[in-house]
Formats: sequence, structure tokens, C-alpha cells
Amino acid sequence: NAGVTQTPKFQVLKTGQSMTLQCAQDMNHNSMYWYRQDPGMGLRLIYYSASEGTTDKGEVPNGYNVSRLNKREFSLRLESAAPSQTSVYFCASSLRDRGLVAQHFGDGTRLSIL
Amino acid sequence: KQEVTQIPAALSVPEGENLVLNCSFTDSAIYNLQWFRQDPGKGLTSLLLIQSSQREQTSGRLNASLDKSSGRSTLYIAASQPGDSATYLCAVKGAQKLVFGQGTRLTINP
Repeated sequence: NAGVTQTPKFQVLKTGQSMTLQCAQDMNHNSMYWYRQDPGMGLRLIYYSASEGTTDKGEVPNGYNVSRLNKREFSLRLESAAPSQTSVYFCASSLRDRGLVAQHFGDGTRLSIL
Repeated sequence: KQEVTQIPAALSVPEGENLVLNCSFTDSAIYNLQWFRQDPGKGLTSLLLIQSSQREQTSGRLNASLDKSSGRSTLYIAASQPGDSATYLCAVKGAQKLVFGQGTRLTINP
């Protein structure tokens, strides 16, 4: 009953370091999403992948890259971390990108950039 | 650009009361609206999903309504319990993908 699994759960980085946040879903969903959640800003879409082999920018893509490795996995990479990227990052998936489908979320990765 | 607003930001009520959480959105061109629950330090759990052509959805003690023309949705919680304490978020799905409100932090006092 895993659903959407994110690793790591917590991470502290220094400014300029790079890292990749991992996300995997076991629900055979076609679409996957990366959000960040900040106090006072709510959840904002960073990147999404409507189907395997495609990725598109969301509302706040600057400073991030993504890879849809296969149908199950969607990773988010910070090439050169900045303090403004301190946030809680959520991965989500849905059966497809359109129509009456719910998005299912992981438990998040809490990332601090010093 | 779609904007989603949830009022109030926080609500505290005694156990057993019925309550209503509000969500409003600026662009009525939506595919659906979803209500989520978020517990502290956790991810989002989907509660109810309403298609744009529907007026309401029910799940147990929860009832969500949608008035697309006026840009409003409500989440009704009947006979509230301390376990209902959490942050409730609404999100609308449109061309801009899923746009979230900032949530209502609900506290149910025993």
C-alpha cells in the first residue's frame, strides 16, 4: 500500500551543492508532479510529467530540472542549491493529467539550504 | 491567472459541532475541484473530488459543494471530532494545472 514514496525525508545542504529528490509511485499512474510548499505561499507546481517521456514547466521551474526515468519514477534535481529553495517538496501522481482524477501525494521532503 | 482563497485561515470549534469551510476561485473555467487534508509534517490526503458539472460529493461525514458560476466551494463537516483537526486545502484543476488555496487550519476541541 505504498502509493507515492519520496526520498529522502529530510536533507540539509550548503549553498551551491547539488542533489536529487527521488519519487516513485506504484499505482500505474501516467502523470506525475513536483510541488513546493512554503508558508504564506501555499503549494506551487514546479514541473510535471503528463505521461512517460514528457515533462513541462509549472509555475516556479527556475533552479530545478526533472527527469521522468520511467513510468514509476520522477526525480527533481537542484543543480546549485540556494537558500530560497529551502522548502517542503511534494511529489504527486494521478492516473492521467485531465479529467476527473485525483492527485495522490507523498509525505514530502523537507529541504534546508544553509 | 487562477487564484484560490480560503477563509478563514484558522478555525477552532468544540467537538460535536457541524462546520463549513469555504473556498473561492477567480476563474470558473475549471475541470474539477479537490479537497485535501494535511496533518502536521505529512503529505496531502485527498478527501473529495468534484467534477465541474457536479454540484456536490459526499463521503461519510464530509460533504463538498461546488457552485462553478459563482466561483465557490464549501466543505461541510458533520459532528466534528478531535481527529478532524488538520489543515484543509482546496485545489482547482484548470489549464494552469492544480492551483491550491492556502488552507484552513481546523482545531476541534474536546
